[in-house]
Amino acid sequence: DAGVIQSPRHEVTEMGQEVTLRCKPISGHNSLFWYRQTMMRGLELLIYFNNNVPIDDSGMPEDRFSAKMPNASFSTLKIQPSEPRDSAVYFCASSPRRGVTGELFFGEGSRLTVL
Amino acid sequence: AQSVTQLGSHVSVSEGALVLLRCNYSSSVPPYLFWYVQYPNQGLQLLLKYTTGATLVKGINGFEAEFKKSETSFHLTKPSAHMSDAAEYFCAVSDSGGGADGLTFGKGTHLIIQP
Repeated sequence: DAGVIQSPRHEVTEMGQEVTLRCKPISGHNSLFWYRQTMMRGLELLIYFNNNVPIDDSGMPEDRFSAKMPNASFSTLKIQPSEPRDSAVYFCASSPRRGVTGELFFGEGSRLTVL
Repeated sequence: AQSVTQLGSHVSVSEGALVLLRCNYSSSVPPYLFWYVQYPNQGLQLLLKYTTGATLVKGINGFEAEFKKSETSFHLTKPSAHMSDAAEYFCAVSDSGGGADGLTFGKGTHLIIQP
């Protein structure tokens, strides 16, 4: 079975450019999460969706970050404009059902470098 | 609010020796606890989890962890380290009754296996 699919795997861009990261969750999973991983701050939850509806976006660092989930099989995380401090690995994860086991299934991540 | 503290950002053991990775948590309600492993350039994958019932839980690759409520701990152990165990290990907690409302992760422990 296909796992969580993220693209691109690597992105190098210049400060001020728009960045869009994409995620396809595991089919049938109802919850989707975006995490950011850095050396300094570890893994941070940015936002999560349940049944395509954003439930908690309190982890989104600032207005430059936005996330959408137009349908059950696709989500995007957008940064506009990007800054060097946004450089990190961004993970998407999905989970079968809310209120059950809490296990998350992670994608391989998108490594973003902002110059 | 929930939190996780992993003692030791790096742990080094000899091949064949006992592995002990420490995790302490803070949660206002009975927690669900998890250990995830991350190999280089990959996403996180679940090693084991505690939800309810038996406090000693066994996971993949010979790892196990024991939930000790009195000590608010969930340490990860493996009797005999193997070179393939070298990776980053994350402890995580959910206090939403197990719901997939996002996990709070520790900063991670990098496990180094000496030949």
